[in-house]
Amino acid sequence: GAGVSQSPSNKVTEKGKDVELRCDPISGHTALYWYRQSLGQGLEFLIYFQGNSAPDKSGLPSDRFSAERTGGSVSTLTIQRTQQEDSAVYLCASSMGQGALSPLHFGNGTRLTVT
Amino acid sequence: AQSVSQHNHHVILSEAASLELGCNYSYGGTVNLFWYVQYPGQHLQLLLKYFSGDPLVKGIKGFEAEFIKSKFSFNLRKPSVQWSDTAEYFCAVNARGNKLVFGAGTILRVKS
Repeated sequence: GAGVSQSPSNKVTEKGKDVELRCDPISGHTALYWYRQSLGQGLEFLIYFQGNSAPDKSGLPSDRFSAERTGGSVSTLTIQRTQQEDSAVYLCASSMGQGALSPLHFGNGTRLTVT
Repeated sequence: AQSVSQHNHHVILSEAASLELGCNYSYGGTVNLFWYVQYPGQHLQLLLKYFSGDPLVKGIKGFEAEFIKSKFSFNLRKPSVQWSDTAEYFCAVNARGNKLVFGAGTILRVKS
């Protein structure tokens, strides 16, 4: 079956522009995570959605970052006024059941380059 | 704050050598522990997990990991590596809520 789909796979943008990254989770998965992976760093937690509950936004690094999940399915991560330090691979993952205890299924990520 | 440390960023081994990748975490309460793996050109996938019970857990492809509570460690082992084990390995900890905290990863290269 289809896995987690992320688009675009690569995005190059100029400093100061806004970008939107899309994640289409596995059908039926209620939990959705966004992580950021910078060169030589681990996966940095950004935000977690579970069903219709309020998202856990505790990992968002600044108010330039926001995310939404429409209809409990597709999610969009928006970065406003991008900075060079935002360059990273942004990974989306989904899981069945309650969050971290179920295996996370990751997408291939969006590689964001801010010039 | 929770943190996860993986001691080696790069490991190079010859085929048939034994593997041990270190992972330590900082949280002192009840934890759930995971190893994820990313093979070249593929997405991250779960290798094995520990929630409770026998501290020695077995995963796919002959991998195992041992939870040592007193050392806050969850090291990954394999008795004899293969070229196909070349990948990046991530240790992860869930200590409270639904947040899964990952280490920086260890890149393993197995020489054939």
